[in-house]
Amino acid sequence: SQQGEEDPQALSIQEGENATMNCSYKTSINNLQWYRQNSGRGLVHLILIRSNEREKHSGRLRVTLDTSKKSSSLLITASRAADTASYFCATDGQGAQKLVFGQGTRLTINP
Amino acid sequence: DGGITQSPKYLFRKEGQNVTLSCEQNLNHDAMYWYRQDPGQGLRLIYYSQIVNDFQKGDIAEGYSVSREKKESFPLTVTSAQKNPTAFYLCAAARGNQPQHFGDGTRLSIL
Repeated sequence: SQQGEEDPQALSIQEGENATMNCSYKTSINNLQWYRQNSGRGLVHLILIRSNEREKHSGRLRVTLDTSKKSSSLLITASRAADTASYFCATDGQGAQKLVFGQGTRLTINP
Repeated sequence: DGGITQSPKYLFRKEGQNVTLSCEQNLNHDAMYWYRQDPGQGLRLIYYSQIVNDFQKGDIAEGYSVSREKKESFPLTVTSAQKNPTAFYLCAAARGNQPQHFGDGTRLSIL
């Protein structure tokens, strides 16, 4: 079953703007991960945030986690055309090695 | 991801036919996974294996079978019992609780 729900389902912004995607989940987790998928390709891991962390940065990526609200957000700053992709959150609520993925946000960066 | 090789990239199945999708990894990861992705959707877990000669059903195992005779290989067979097999199939591998590495997928269609 899909534990993660992502919002919005699609997002289109101008190059240089910031993009924010949200993920909600239902059960307790140890960590939450974000992945990117370019069209027709496999997923690429972006960042992992543990349940005892509230915020994590990696380059232009900023992830927050609110376990009380069971939600996370992914912020991409200064977006580029190459950021165009689908972004998925994944949680380990069903076991450490069994990830449950959200339905994803399709991000389009317009030049 | 160069560490996970899925083949073929495109596959066509006739009615009543079983087909096997290949997944090979050179990352020496213990755990391997098979996911199904339908258009515009997230990933759903079909089967996973944490060690050689052992595997568990995921959320949508009906109509699929797997084997794990070698650490490097985790083939997925889509049987004739799977009535709606058209989808994008992704294989992944992971070490312990580390993020999963994905192959570039196999797109299966029905003739």
